[in-house]
Amino acid sequence: AQSVAQPEDQVNVAEGNPLTVKCTYSVSGNPYLFWYVQYPNRGLQFLLKYITGDNLVKGSYGFEAEFNKSQTSFHLKKPSALVSDSALYFCAVRDMGGVTTDSWGKLQFGAGTQVVVTP
Amino acid sequence: SQTIHQWPATLVQPVGSPLSLECTVEGTSNPNLYWYRQAAGRGLQLLFYSVGIGQISSEVPQNLSASRPQDRQFILSSKKLLLSDSGFYLCAWSVGLFEAAYEQYFGPGTRLTVT
Repeated sequence: AQSVAQPEDQVNVAEGNPLTVKCTYSVSGNPYLFWYVQYPNRGLQFLLKYITGDNLVKGSYGFEAEFNKSQTSFHLKKPSALVSDSALYFCAVRDMGGVTTDSWGKLQFGAGTQVVVTP
Repeated sequence: SQTIHQWPATLVQPVGSPLSLECTVEGTSNPNLYWYRQAAGRGLQLLFYSVGIGQISSEVPQNLSASRPQDRQFILSSKKLLLSDSGFYLCAWSVGLFEAAYEQYFGPGTRLTVT
């Protein structure tokens, strides 16, 4: 079974400082990994994904994420945070471990990490 | 470009009343469609998904049901609402269930309060 963990309930960072939101996963096969952002009372917006290839993935709004297979992690990063980056961030994983897997095709979302960027 | 619509945006309903939430997608054909519920502004729970007209898979047994009468229309319903049905309901679409590299795109959501 696939699972994803976001160990931090909230991350606080000052504007201009680097931002990191942590995500670890567990799958039986190869993972497809995704990051989403949600602003209050809005739907989720897709930021970036890792499917294969370069471990460093660049996405929207200056965000990037690094896939680390040995540590089963996919941390989201931004070199210089903005106040407007304050939002709820979700990591998600799709397990590619075989067509008989019940979780085939379905995204498993983490519990979310609230990011607060202070001026 | 593709867009996804949900309505209503907010809804307040008494316990025991029926429910109908609608989701439509524009600019694509044969999308996979999903209904999620988000409680307390956090975790997402997949309720239903559909890979085609009339094809509905339920993830969680409950008093909710879903239907897909048209290719790009997905409806979430209930005959009698419970207090526990309150939450933020999100519809999403993706290119195809077995096109697993594709991300899901979410609608703006419906805030349901059951009183």
